[in-house]
Amino acid sequence: QSALTQPASVSGSPGESITISCTDTSGDVDIYNYVSWYQQHPGKAPKLILYYVSSRPSGISNRFSGSKSDHAASLTISGLQAEDEADYYCQSYTNTGIRLFGGGTKLTVL
Amino acid sequence: EVQLLESGGGLVQPGGSLRLSCATSGFTFSSYAMSWVRQAPGKGLEWVSIISGSGSFTDYADSVKGRFTISRDNSKNTFYLQISSLRGDDTAVYYCAKNPDYSYGSRYFDFWGQGALVTVSS
Repeated sequence: QSALTQPASVSGSPGESITISCTDTSGDVDIYNYVSWYQQHPGKAPKLILYYVSSRPSGISNRFSGSKSDHAASLTISGLQAEDEADYYCQSYTNTGIRLFGGGTKLTVL
Repeated sequence: EVQLLESGGGLVQPGGSLRLSCATSGFTFSSYAMSWVRQAPGKGLEWVSIISGSGSFTDYADSVKGRFTISRDNSKNTFYLQISSLRGDDTAVYYCAKNPDYSYGSRYFDFWGQGALVTVSS
């Protein structure tokens, strides 16, 4: 059974960069080819910020970037701003057709 | 501008049923698969179901299979989630979401509604 694991929380100061990892526990390396990332502010709907690892939808700042290896996917936010404080979720598509979300990471901007 | 608006949430007793609706605008509805994703209070996101652009193909998370039914009416630009045999762990905000392509194999969600709260309690 696949599961996507993220750190529960990360923090950084304005202007700094942070990275959030997303790791699959099942060993399905293909899962990382389809990773997307969502930002969710409190009480709001999730918002797509990256898809297929590193592609940005229209209107998303280039401060958000993504990467992957055989063992993890990562979201990097550079030049941290106060408005980046939110929950971030990775999501992927497994070889059994399941759309799987990570547990979410709370980003605190100090 | 893509817009999705859920309705139909509320308080329901265990074992009861409810139908959620998602009215859409701003895109050619019949050309896209559509999904439901839920979020229990204070918890993470969980994909629930997807339906292809034609409505011919559907898929469900194991946790809801046999209890939830997704459908769509392309003439009304609206899709639905019929939820039945409700349990306490179905309590969640239910988000409707647009997929970026036609197929029920679509892999992510590019636009989301604001959510509808379903509370299962006696």
